[in-house]
Amino acid sequence: AQSVAQPEDQVNVAEGNPLTVKCTYSVSGNPYLFWYVQYPNRGLQFLLKYITGDNLVKGSYGFEAEFNKSQTSFHLKKPSALVSDSALYFCAVSPYNTDKLIFGTGTRLQVFP
Amino acid sequence: DAGVIQSPRHEVTEMGQEVTLRCKPISGHDYLFWYRQTMMRGLELLIYFNNNVPIDDSGMPEDRFSAKMPNASFSTLKIQPSEPRDSAVYFCASSLVGPDTQYFGPGTRLTVL
Repeated sequence: AQSVAQPEDQVNVAEGNPLTVKCTYSVSGNPYLFWYVQYPNRGLQFLLKYITGDNLVKGSYGFEAEFNKSQTSFHLKKPSALVSDSALYFCAVSPYNTDKLIFGTGTRLQVFP
Repeated sequence: DAGVIQSPRHEVTEMGQEVTLRCKPISGHDYLFWYRQTMMRGLELLIYFNNNVPIDDSGMPEDRFSAKMPNASFSTLKIQPSEPRDSAVYFCASSLVGPDTQYFGPGTRLTVL
């Protein structure tokens, strides 16, 4: 079955420290990969995507993600966390030859001052 | 562009009543998606349309749920009759092509008493 896993329900990090939010996927073919962020009482906002090309993708608000085909991972990273980064983060995959996105269960990021 | 527009933002109704949720996608987007978000089940795809035609409704939970897209700028999700377990946040999203970045509306928070 095609799926996305976000193994951590919550990630805590101090402001100014680097952060990583993990995502692994299991799909056939070459997937499209996405990260979205959701702030309280808001819809999901697009952060970045990987379609093809450079394995390191840069997105909004200083976030980046690295596509690792051998490990089937697409971890979200930021060199220096801000308190305002605190939110719910979703990884999503669009399997080859489909129009749909499969979302992970989400990881709550808490950045402490 | 105003982004994806959803109405109402909040809906409180009693069990057995009909509920209609509305969505206006981003102009020019060919794909429209309806999602449901709950704490227990996360983000679920209910149905999606391409050029106003329903493509996959396998996520629609029961016959009580129906969705239409009479034209490129309007879609509805109807629940009749509503039940307390339908309480959730319902999101509409649109994309230019599929698969591609989906842009989400602010959501409708439905409470069925």
